[in-house]
Amino acid sequence: DSGVTQTPKHLITATGQRVTLRCSPRSGDLSVYWYQQSLDQGLQFLIQYYNGEERAKGNILERFSAQQFPDLHSELNLSSLELGDSALYFCASSVDAPGRRSPLHFGNGTRLTVT
Amino acid sequence: AQSVTQPDIHITVSEGASLELRCNYSYGATPYLFWYVQSPGQGLQLLLKYFSGDTLVQGIKGFEAEFKRSQSSFNLRKPSVHWSDAAEYFCAVAPAGVEYGNKLVFGAGTILRVKS
Repeated sequence: DSGVTQTPKHLITATGQRVTLRCSPRSGDLSVYWYQQSLDQGLQFLIQYYNGEERAKGNILERFSAQQFPDLHSELNLSSLELGDSALYFCASSVDAPGRRSPLHFGNGTRLTVT
Repeated sequence: AQSVTQPDIHITVSEGASLELRCNYSYGATPYLFWYVQSPGQGLQLLLKYFSGDTLVQGIKGFEAEFKRSQSSFNLRKPSVHWSDAAEYFCAVAPAGVEYGNKLVFGAGTILRVKS
């Protein structure tokens, strides 16, 4: 158990809809990362938040947004969903103290199916 | 272009045989290096990491990896594979430099099959 909790585990929705994925990081971790895993694109970095602020941005679509709350949990919002958004979405967390790198610890993911 | 390459999509080994999974990266400076394993329906579990120092690093489950700067490689090895090692293995790098934050760039993964 990595200590990173993601809910829900599975999500099935229709095209055009909006969903919210939730992540609770490990206790003490200040950074949250979101990744998308699909068969054709592999594991793609979406966005990182550190202590409530956006730190780095990757291949995140404009239809997607995220935020990190004061209690450090994070939500990834996906809107105007398309069939191609079907994927496994992972959240990861790390300590990321200033000047110190630390490994990422991943949750078990949310499997999104858009029909 | 900056990239992480895992040249083998699938590898099949016999139980008890040795294993080596290859990983090459293309970055300007030596990045931080990781290997993760993903079992079906599961998240990614950290096997080992290299930040600096000894170029041979030990990880969990009997795995080790060797960083070779001259070859820009970070290959994963295990002397004797167990059936429970069947999974998908990902090499990842965190590029050096503040501008990257701590995000990881992943290779495409290698699926390991173990035959009895």
